[in-house]
Amino acid sequence: SQQGEEDPQALSIQEGENATMNCSYKTSINNLQWYRQNSGRGLVHLILIRSNEREKHSGRLRVTLDTSKKSSSLLITASRAADTASYFCATDAGGTSYGKLTFGQGTILTVHP
Amino acid sequence: EPEVTQTPSHQVTQMGQEVILRCVPISNHLYFYWYRQILGQKVEFLVSFYNNEISEKSEIFDDQFSVERPDGSNFTLKIRSTKLEDSAMYFCARDADPFGNTIYFGEGSWLTVV
Repeated sequence: SQQGEEDPQALSIQEGENATMNCSYKTSINNLQWYRQNSGRGLVHLILIRSNEREKHSGRLRVTLDTSKKSSSLLITASRAADTASYFCATDAGGTSYGKLTFGQGTILTVHP
Repeated sequence: EPEVTQTPSHQVTQMGQEVILRCVPISNHLYFYWYRQILGQKVEFLVSFYNNEISEKSEIFDDQFSVERPDGSNFTLKIRSTKLEDSAMYFCARDADPFGNTIYFGEGSWLTVV
């Protein structure tokens, strides 16, 4: 698999349920960022977790990072229909490649009302 | 924080024509980026621009692409002779602050080459 691969590719849940998306990567990173994209729209930044952090929270979002396994997960609790979107993880190697993000294929989340 | 503003939101162009996509940062930042997303595919890095110079570019960013910040404000991506495979959403992005690491994206410019 390539840098920044998410699974599952698609996730369908009911409103109120939790949604968990996973991301794996191959090379060392400075940080990992999660983005949301509504169909045909721009990328909305959700949360950034640095390589020396293990867990981070923001509202209904919880992100974990396991650098030993080169993986991250995004948990959305108490999902809403408005959370329906594609979710991408993106890794930043840092250093001279500051801001050069490598994106995964994304997870398409559908939340049914 | 607000993202950048991109124009046009959608452009249709004939193959072989030149296209200029524009990006206007809301505030003064140092790092700017262009990314693209072909329909149904991953978002791909094209180029980073720092202090009015290209900092890094990908293999995609060949001689038909160029970037500049002509008036110190607008940040442009020029595609000299468009090909069908250049059809994609092009995103401008900026850093949050010099050491913030967070990258904020604009709404994108849809380019359709026919």
